[in-house]
Amino acid sequence: DTEVTQTPKHLVMGMTNKKSLKCEQHMGHRAMYWYKQKAKKPPELMFVYSYEKLSINESVPSRFSPECPNSSLLNLHLHALQPEDSALYLCASSRAPYRPGDTEAFFGQGTRLTVV
Amino acid sequence: GNSVTQMEGPVTLSEEAFLTINCTYTATGYPSLFWYVQYPGEGLQLLLKATKADDKGSNKGFEATYRKETTSFHLEKGSVQVSDSAVYFCALSGPPGTSYGKLTFGQGTILTVHP
Repeated sequence: DTEVTQTPKHLVMGMTNKKSLKCEQHMGHRAMYWYKQKAKKPPELMFVYSYEKLSINESVPSRFSPECPNSSLLNLHLHALQPEDSALYLCASSRAPYRPGDTEAFFGQGTRLTVV
Repeated sequence: GNSVTQMEGPVTLSEEAFLTINCTYTATGYPSLFWYVQYPGEGLQLLLKATKADDKGSNKGFEATYRKETTSFHLEKGSVQVSDSAVYFCALSGPPGTSYGKLTFGQGTILTVHP
């Protein structure tokens, strides 16, 4: 199994809603990532979890709240988003965050989020 | 900090033409280098990688060589197909022990191949 599975694939939410994005991998990877990608742009890192601990938060607004319940799961909780938060949200995982060859990242298909 | 510069696109080619997409990077030490491909409406797929100088990554007819002296990782394919139409991202992570595997991406190059 070399897949990273993200659900849902599409999400439309209002600015007062609370929703969650889910990401799952069963490759035994110990680093997991959330990226945000706007149209025609490269992905931008939001968060890194290393061995289930939050290691990097790229100054992301608090309306985005990550959670790593175990080594296979990564969630992104959304609350009071703005229309400019509409984007493709990508989850990725890698074997480990430190050694060459271990940082190869496998990406999920993404969640296309629209905030109305 | 780390940075990646890709040639500006879009690139439009006829089927069976030769492809080169230039990529140069700035980083301390020896980062790992990657090419990712993104098809419309999908996530990113790893195309190839190289983790040390002079390594050549290859996959599906695509190749790229890690050139430390020119800080480059140019993507090449001898004969492109219509199915290669996608967005290609050059990326780096590292150097080892730093940045927790964070990927720094280039701006992406849109490739369109016509029959």
